[in-house]
Amino acid sequence: RKEVEQDPGPFNVPEGATVAFNCTYSNSASQSFFWYRQDCRKEPKLLMSVYSSGNEDGRFTAQLNRASQYISLLIRDSKLSDSATYLCVVNIDNQGGKLIFGQGTELSVKP
Amino acid sequence: GAVVSQHPSWVICKSGTSVKIECRSLDFQATTMFWYRQFPKQSLMLMATSNEGSKATYEQGVEKDKFLINHASLTLSTLTVTSAHPEDSSFYICSAPGGPGDEQYFGPGTRLTVT
Repeated sequence: RKEVEQDPGPFNVPEGATVAFNCTYSNSASQSFFWYRQDCRKEPKLLMSVYSSGNEDGRFTAQLNRASQYISLLIRDSKLSDSATYLCVVNIDNQGGKLIFGQGTELSVKP
Repeated sequence: GAVVSQHPSWVICKSGTSVKIECRSLDFQATTMFWYRQFPKQSLMLMATSNEGSKATYEQGVEKDKFLINHASLTLSTLTVTSAHPEDSSFYICSAPGGPGDEQYFGPGTRLTVT
């Protein structure tokens, strides 16, 4: 079983749609959780950290369920510029250390 | 915010040669840096943890004699791909921890093509 698993993509949606990404992780000792965004041939960029209480940043909402070892990302009112690959990322130690990346889910937002 | 640079941004080399990739933290010190590799259509895979003043820690399956890591100073880590083969062609990215929480800063990546 992969340490971090995401929905296989790609997701093709029209502008304005709501999109949900799902992710599960296998290491129950994982310390912190993130969603990164990666554009084609670029480095990943932090989109948002994910907290147990859930957190929202504009059109983006992230949720964490430690009991189920499940992480989600919701994008509302999607824009063309949201087209990218979304990476679920887990930090498995508490020393600002090793990040384990999911395989990514590609999103394509069409006009 | 903090910036991590990589050099070169892309490189083409012949099979059998060695290639050195530099990762620099530009406005902060990094005692630890991480090296990742990403093949097309795949996610980032952690290769090794670079530690300033001590040996790097390699992930399972990564050959330490092939991927030489040197953390020469608090702002510089280098990855040398020795005796490169076409299967080593990949996108190599470094990162350094910093900032609030567990945020890591990623370099822009180096695209290596071995012919």
